[in-house]
Formats: sequence, structure tokens, C-alpha cells
Amino acid sequence: AQTVTQSQPEMSVQEAETVTLSCTYDTSESNYYLFWYKQPPSRQMILVIRQEAYKQQNATENRFSVNFQKAAKSFSLKISDSQLGDTAMYFCAYGGSNYKLTFGKGTLLTVNP
Amino acid sequence: KAGVTQTPRYLIKTRGQQVTLSCSPISGHRSVSWYQQTPGQGLQFLFEYFSETQRNKGNFPGRFSGRQFSNSRSEMNVSTLELGDSALYLCASSLQGVSTEAFFGQGTRLTVV
Repeated sequence: AQTVTQSQPEMSVQEAETVTLSCTYDTSESNYYLFWYKQPPSRQMILVIRQEAYKQQNATENRFSVNFQKAAKSFSLKISDSQLGDTAMYFCAYGGSNYKLTFGKGTLLTVNP
Repeated sequence: KAGVTQTPRYLIKTRGQQVTLSCSPISGHRSVSWYQQTPGQGLQFLFEYFSETQRNKGNFPGRFSGRQFSNSRSEMNVSTLELGDSALYLCASSLQGVSTEAFFGQGTRLTVV
């Protein structure tokens, strides 16, 4: 079974600074997808970024980028120029061949003014 | 394009009752999956449907069931409610499978008293 581990329950960052959230996963599959989802206080789960395992190039979406290390099974999220609206719970998720997403426990990110 | 719609948004039920939650996916999406989110257990997979067929089911008791209709709308039912069923229930919609990309609804907050 696949597992996803987020080792940082909480993090904080000053507005305009850069922060990196960590995620490791375990799988025996070679083809899969990895995701970062953001869940603000409204509880709406929002897709931030997606990485396909067979692509070596790290995904980027505006201020959000990932560092995907397939051999190390590591998938970190970097948020540049942090904004107050980035305050949320961030979940790392794995999608493989079994038609489901496996989530980590989440990291609560607080952006301070 | 309308997003994923979950109804109702909030629900209060009494122990022993049953409840039905509804999820309307993004137009054209044929995959719907359900997740239970609690503070203690995090996000746990319930089941996934594609074109009216259940392709995977999580480790939940038989009191939890679901179905998908020909228009891709999905319902989940919980019978004989227990206090521990209090949670946020999230539905995710995907074109072909949640493992590749999924968009979430705003969730249904179920409180069992």
C-alpha cells in the first residue's frame, strides 16, 4: 500500500518570503501522480500543482514549484513571495493505479504580515 | 464551467438515523470519488465510481455505501449513524480517474448528535 508522510505539522513564514513544505511517499509503482492541495479555512480543497512521475522536469505554477526526487521518493513544495492568502492547510497526495488519492496528514502554513 | 457541487453543505443527524449525501461532478467528468475528513484520521478514501461502476472501496464498514447514476452524479449513504461518523465528506470529480487529476467540491459537514 502507498503511504504519504508530511513531517511538518505546522510552519510559518513572513509575507514575501519563500517557504518549502516537505513530503515523502512510499510506493512500488513506477507510474503515478503526485499532488499538492491547499485547504483554506473555507474547507474547499484546491489543487495547487501536479507532477507526473515519468516527467523529470519539476512542475511549476506561478509562485508554486516542486522539487521532485523520484529515487528518494521526495516531493517538496516551494512557495515564493508568500502572500497572506497562502495561509492554509497543505496536503501532499499520491495517485496511482488503484483509482484513489492517498493523502498525507497535512502541514498548516501561516503567512505572517 | 460549473465546479463540483455537493449537497447539502451542512447536516445534523441523530445517532441511528441514516443520511444521503449528493455530489454532482464537473460536466463531462465520469469519475467520482468520496473522502472522509476528520481531525484524528485525516483524509480517508471511501470509494470511487466510474461510469456507474465502483472501481475501488476503502476500509469502511458496510454502513457506508454509494452509487453513481448514468449522468455521473453520485450519492453516498451512511446508515445507522454513529457519533464517530461526524466529519467533512468531500467529493472529487475527474475526467477519467482521480489518480491523474481531481477537483473537489466544498464538502458536506455532517454532525451526528
